[in-house]
Amino acid sequence: AQRVTQPEKLLSVFKGAPVELKCNYSYSGSPELFWYVQYSRQRLQLLLRHISRESIKGFTADLNKGETSFHLKKPFAQEEDSAMYYCAGGATNKLIFGTGTLLAVQP
Amino acid sequence: DGGITQSPKYLFRKEGQNVTLSCEQNLNHDAMYWYRQDPGQGLRLIYYSQIVNDFQKGDIAEGYSVSREKKESFPLTVTSAQKNPTAFYLCASSIRRNTEAFFGQGTRLTVV
Repeated sequence: AQRVTQPEKLLSVFKGAPVELKCNYSYSGSPELFWYVQYSRQRLQLLLRHISRESIKGFTADLNKGETSFHLKKPFAQEEDSAMYYCAGGATNKLIFGTGTLLAVQP
Repeated sequence: DGGITQSPKYLFRKEGQNVTLSCEQNLNHDAMYWYRQDPGQGLRLIYYSQIVNDFQKGDIAEGYSVSREKKESFPLTVTSAQKNPTAFYLCASSIRRNTEAFFGQGTRLTVV
């Protein structure tokens, strides 16, 4: 079955510390993978996707097929990064989300 | 003003009643999705549609029904068969499958 797993419900870091939000996937074939973010009182929105290999707001994510992972990283966390982050995978017409990780950046 | 609109924002219903949640998009997207968001469980896929007059069950379709008679509209009906309907419901659309999904503001349904 297609599955996206985010093992951490909450990640708390101090401002300026590195951040890594974990995501593992279980898909047959080659899925499209995404990171979505939901800031307080805002809509869920796309942060980045693996095919574009870009950096958005300082965040990057690399697809590791051997480990079936797509971890989200940022070298120096900012307070405005505090939000709910969802990893998602798309294959065979379905877009499946993980359970989400709440990132809390402390001043 | 382009986008995806869900209505109403808050909805209250008595137990045993069916209720329909509206989702409209003017983005000319082919694909539309309904998710249910519960604390600690993330977004769970209820139904999805890739084209007009066609839709498929997601992971938690029991107790829900949908229709896709128009490209821009994908209403979700929560039936009395849904055992735990109180939740936050999110609708999304994308140009086609596996591309960026755009989300509505959500509808919070409370069944009393």
